[in-house]
Amino acid sequence: EDQVTQSPEALRLQEGESSSLNCSYTVSGLRGLFWYRQDPGKGPEFLFTLYSAGEEKEKERLKATLTKKESFLHITAPKPEDSATYLCAVQASGNTGKLIFGQGTTLQVKP
Amino acid sequence: GAGVSQSPSNKVTEKGKDVELRCDPISGHTALYWYRQRLGQGLEFLIYFQGNSAPDKSGLPSDRFSAERTGESVSTLTIQRTQQEDSAVYLCASSTRDRGAPQHFGDGTRLSIL
Repeated sequence: EDQVTQSPEALRLQEGESSSLNCSYTVSGLRGLFWYRQDPGKGPEFLFTLYSAGEEKEKERLKATLTKKESFLHITAPKPEDSATYLCAVQASGNTGKLIFGQGTTLQVKP
Repeated sequence: GAGVSQSPSNKVTEKGKDVELRCDPISGHTALYWYRQRLGQGLEFLIYFQGNSAPDKSGLPSDRFSAERTGESVSTLTIQRTQQEDSAVYLCASSTRDRGAPQHFGDGTRLSIL
């Protein structure tokens, strides 16, 4: 069964304190792994897509990496405005386009 | 350009009533998805439309749930005889037809069943 597990569930950081969020997955053929950011009361906002092991993508203070079993979202020198829930999802190869989501990691960055 | 638009943003109804939720996808996006997000839980896939192909309904939790899409435009999700466990945020997303294309989400409809 295709599955996504994110850890930790919650993370508190001081402003400027770098860290990483983990997304472990099992899927019968990976078409893509997606990272989203979700603010309270809003829909998920797309951040990155990774398609193959070894791929990396960066956007401002965020960097996403991918291996055959997991993905990491590295946050460098975070700011309070980076506080949000970060969601990881996988899309399996085949005819369906559905995403399978993890439970998310809620990040709080304190000034 | 305009993003995915969902209406209403909030809906409160009594148990047993029918509700209809609407989604306007991004113009030009042929794929449309519905997901459900219960409080404190991850997003659950409900249904997927791609152009004129038969929809993937594998995520619909019961026969009380149904969805339609008019061509490559608006979609409606209907829940009949609502139950308290249907309380959740219902999210719609759209994407281009490219395999592996990112899905872009609306802000959802928060449904509360009294």
